[in-house]
Amino acid sequence: DVKVTQSSRYLVKRTGEKVFLECVQDMDHENMFWYRQDPGLGLRLIYFSYDVKMKEKGDIPEGYSVSREKKERFSLILESASTNQTSMYLCASEDRNPGNTIYFGEGSWLTVV
Amino acid sequence: AQSVAQPEDQVNVAEGNPLTVKCTYSVSGNPYLFWYVQYPNRGLQFLLKYITGDNLVKGSYGFEAEFNKSQTSFHLKKPSALVSDSALYFCAVRVSPYSGAGSYQLTFGKGTKLSVIP
Repeated sequence: DVKVTQSSRYLVKRTGEKVFLECVQDMDHENMFWYRQDPGLGLRLIYFSYDVKMKEKGDIPEGYSVSREKKERFSLILESASTNQTSMYLCASEDRNPGNTIYFGEGSWLTVV
Repeated sequence: AQSVAQPEDQVNVAEGNPLTVKCTYSVSGNPYLFWYVQYPNRGLQFLLKYITGDNLVKGSYGFEAEFNKSQTSFHLKKPSALVSDSALYFCAVRVSPYSGAGSYQLTFGKGTKLSVIP
């Protein structure tokens, strides 16, 4: 089975802190994604990556950056956390065929106080 | 731009009755369509997908969905609901690369909360 692991399930951070959310997948997938989930808004794409060291902006990249130094790891970075970034963050991965399934991690609940 | 509409925020159904969760989409080109389920405080789990071929797709846990190109719909169905089916359901769409479009981005609907009443 595909496994997408988000290392932190629940985090509480202070406004202005730098926050790292880590994601690792074990299926040698080329594509990796970071989504944000908010009630009533569904899932919104923050960033995605089609290869190592490659990144593309999604629908809501402002206030976020990403890093993909190794194929299996995709990190989401909040340079200076703000309260409006309190949310559920979901990492996902898939191999390069667009008809294939995207697999999700269990999610990281971030609260910024 | 592609989009997905799930017109019902919540669907209530009695246990044992058939259930339907609605989804319509808009995309330039041939769609790839997906359904995911999310249980409380968990990630999204894949249920089923339509890529090509038979319009009726069968998936996990007894769910199925029918692709209707003329109505641009992909409704999720199950003949007999279980209390354990209570969860949040997401429909998603992306463009087939063979359509000639450039974006393979997956777009999600806002989700439908399904409550199965004992």
